[in-house]
This record gives sequence, structure tokens and C-alpha cells, in this order.
Amino acid sequence: EVVLTQSPATLSLSPGESATLSCRASQTVANYLAWYQQKPGQAPRLLIYDASTRATGIPARFSGSGSGTDFTLTISSLEPEDFAVYYCQESSYWPRITFGPGTKVDSK
Amino acid sequence: EVQLLESGGGLVQPGGSLRLSCAVSGFTLSTSAMSWVRQTPGKGLEWVSVTMGGGGSTYYADSVEGRFTISRDNSQNMVYLQMTSLRAEDTAIYYCAKDTISGVVVVGYEYWGQGTRVTVSS
Repeated sequence: EVVLTQSPATLSLSPGESATLSCRASQTVANYLAWYQQKPGQAPRLLIYDASTRATGIPARFSGSGSGTDFTLTISSLEPEDFAVYYCQESSYWPRITFGPGTKVDSK
Repeated sequence: EVQLLESGGGLVQPGGSLRLSCAVSGFTLSTSAMSWVRQTPGKGLEWVSVTMGGGGSTYYADSVEGRFTISRDNSQNMVYLQMTSLRAEDTAIYYCAKDTISGVVVVGYEYWGQGTRVTVSS
């Protein structure tokens, strides 16, 4: 089973700042890595898949990079609506898809 | 517009059963892989089960294998999760999700329902 580790657990930033979130896999997942945003009381929202492809309707300020075991989600300039929890997810061993524990981006 | 709507959650005693339903619209269910994903404060997001499109296979997480059964009714645009021998650790919000495919590979879930809460407690 692939274990995903996300860091940091919490990121405190101000609107307009850049956010860099990390996801590390316990074994290679090639580029089968996705990122989600979740706000309280809502389902997760797919942001990025295939490590770097933005999902439909996702703003260009969200970008993903990485391959193998190390991945990064970058939010180039935080908007007020971007404060949320972000999860990574791998699908290299589909159907047994696994999720990371999440990184909370909150307002400083 | 793709829509997924879960129902059937509630409070159930340990050892009890519950059936969750997911009504879908806006796409062809018969050719779509559909999953159930649950979320707890302690364990986070956990894939539970998937039913393949085209009358294909079903798969389960080890934690629910033998207790949960996923099924679908393509004519009614419905997906189900029958849960038996429920345990306290099955307490979670259960989401129905449409598997998103890139090329021929499932890469994640672009469409989710709003979730239905299941509480297993005496």
C-alpha cells in the first residue's frame, strides 16, 4: 500500500502570498498524483490530476509538479477563497486509491 | 450538468446494516466507473469501493471486504452501497464519486455528491 505524507500540516499565509504544499509517496506513483481542495461542509474539489494537469475550470494560479515520489502544489497568489484543506491522492495502484492526510492553508 | 446525490445515511447500532443510495444524472452511468469514498476526522479520506462500467468488476478496500457490497442499477441511474456488520470505525461521511479517466487510467474524482453521514453507535 502506498502511503502519502503531506507537509506542512498547516500553512499560515496572507492573501496575495504564494503557497507551496508538498506530497511525498512511500513508493513511486509515476505521475498518477492528484490534488484536491476541501472547504468545511463541502466535498473535495479536484484541482490537479496527472501531477500537473488542471481540472476543468480550475484557475491558473493553481499548478502542480513532480513525478515518482515527490510532488508539489503551488498556489501563486492566494485569494480569500483559497483558504481550505488540500489533499493529495495517488491512483497508481488503482482501484486501491489512497489519499494524503491533508495540509490546512489558513489565514495569518 | 453532472449531479450525484447520496441518501440513506443515519444512526445504526454496531452489527447493524444500512444501504446508501446515490442518484446520478448528466452522464451515462452504464459506461462509468463509480466509487464510494468515506471521510472521518481521524483517518481522513478513504476509498471504500468501486463498480466498473459496462457490467464489470467490483473492488473493495480491505477494511470493508466481506461486509460491504456495491451495486448499480443503470436503468434507474442509481449506485448503492449495502453495508452490513457495521462497526464504530465505519462512522464517517460517505461520498459517491464518479471516477475520472485520463486516457485509459483512472486519475481521481472530478464529481462528488454532497455526502451522507453514517454513525455507528449504541
